[in-house]
Amino acid sequence: DAMVIQNPRYQVTQFGKPVTLSCSQTLNHNVMYWYQQKSSQAPKLLFHYYDKDFNNEADTPDNFQSRRPNTSFCFLDIRSPGLGDAAMYLCATSRGRDRGSQPQHFGDGTRLSIL
Amino acid sequence: AQKVTQAQTEISVVEKEDVTLDCVYETRDTTYYLFWYKQPPSGELVFLIRRNSFDEQNEISGRYSWNFQKSTSSFNFTITASQVVDSAVYFCALSEAGGGKLIFGQGTELSVKP
Repeated sequence: DAMVIQNPRYQVTQFGKPVTLSCSQTLNHNVMYWYQQKSSQAPKLLFHYYDKDFNNEADTPDNFQSRRPNTSFCFLDIRSPGLGDAAMYLCATSRGRDRGSQPQHFGDGTRLSIL
Repeated sequence: AQKVTQAQTEISVVEKEDVTLDCVYETRDTTYYLFWYKQPPSGELVFLIRRNSFDEQNEISGRYSWNFQKSTSSFNFTITASQVVDSAVYFCALSEAGGGKLIFGQGTELSVKP
């Protein structure tokens, strides 16, 4: 089945040690999103790619970066994780045309823990 | 500014009861889209329904139904004859026509007990 796949499901890293989370999709969607979801909170959009165009949310910390080498893959890099970055990270995709109207399709998420 | 409010933080019902999850939104846009997503304990967000601002027709899908009322800026979700598998966090979300950013409500955690 076409889907959004996130790896790994669980990631543990040390305080300050860079970490990369990955997302792949077989839906061939133009848009890929990264959300951060802390415990008992709503998902919060960090940034998204429309094809190769990167769109950062104004309040996303500089510590968070993203790469999209091709249509299928998108990566979230956290350069120096702090304890406050422990969260579930959700990747989503959608069609690009009239994207406000398009449902977003989410992966299972990566739960990041910081030691 | 856009905002979505889900006033019910937690709801607990017994199996087979009907339950309604409330969602109230704010936007200045005339064209916008409303969504409901389900997040089971496993974590993934599952798309349930989309409604655009010009379509106030209510929708029923099996045990699920949605009531959209522009006059009260509400988009409520009812589960009829709830089941244990319905236990999850449910998010209501708003999107404006031009962008793809979802504005989520805080979510309602539904617990259905056998």
